[in-house]
Amino acid sequence: DAGVIQSPRHEVTEMGQEVTLRCKPISGHNSLFWYRQTMMRGLELLIYFNNNVPIDDSGMPEDRFSAKMPNASFSTLKIQPSEPRDSAVYFCASSFPGTGLDEQYFGPGTRLTVT
Amino acid sequence: GEDVEQSLFLSVREGDSSVINCTYTDSSSTYLYWYKQEPGAGLQLLTYIFSNMDMKQDQRLTVLLNKKDKHLSLRIADTQTGDSAIYFCAESPSGGSYIPTFGRGTSLIVHP
Repeated sequence: DAGVIQSPRHEVTEMGQEVTLRCKPISGHNSLFWYRQTMMRGLELLIYFNNNVPIDDSGMPEDRFSAKMPNASFSTLKIQPSEPRDSAVYFCASSFPGTGLDEQYFGPGTRLTVT
Repeated sequence: GEDVEQSLFLSVREGDSSVINCTYTDSSSTYLYWYKQEPGAGLQLLTYIFSNMDMKQDQRLTVLLNKKDKHLSLRIADTQTGDSAIYFCAESPSGGSYIPTFGRGTSLIVHP
């Protein structure tokens, strides 16, 4: 398996623009997570899905952020409009919980810069 | 709620042992994890320990768990420059949730 795939790897955009981050989880994993990593706040869980259904989005910072998972192999995180304080590395992770260990598999991340 | 604390930085000399410490609050955690994040990459599970164990050894890695003090440590023997990374402590919370709680991460810097 290729692991969790994220695109783009780097995104530079201007304030006010819409940004869409994409994620393909590992085949067979039924849980998907979006995280944001910054120096100030560390790793923050934004939202997670189980069987394509959003379970907890309490970590989504504002209404400007939205996430979808239309099927088991694809998810998006959208920021509209983007602001400079959204600059961070965004990670997608997937897992197959219920086996006890619940290891999370992370993608390489998308580094977002909003100018 | 759950909380995982760890120091932010650790600097060691190549060849020495590194010890990264972590404290957590959920006394009913089932698994405790150490993830490693190399520069420009995502987190990757390095090792883990089940809560009924005190110690786990895996080659150069030794994990110690003190449940009474809710303290977890990761010891890396003969630290190499390739071990330079951010190390995250995480716990699986109680109540059947499978969402691990991560610490802020400890940046390990290995210098010659």
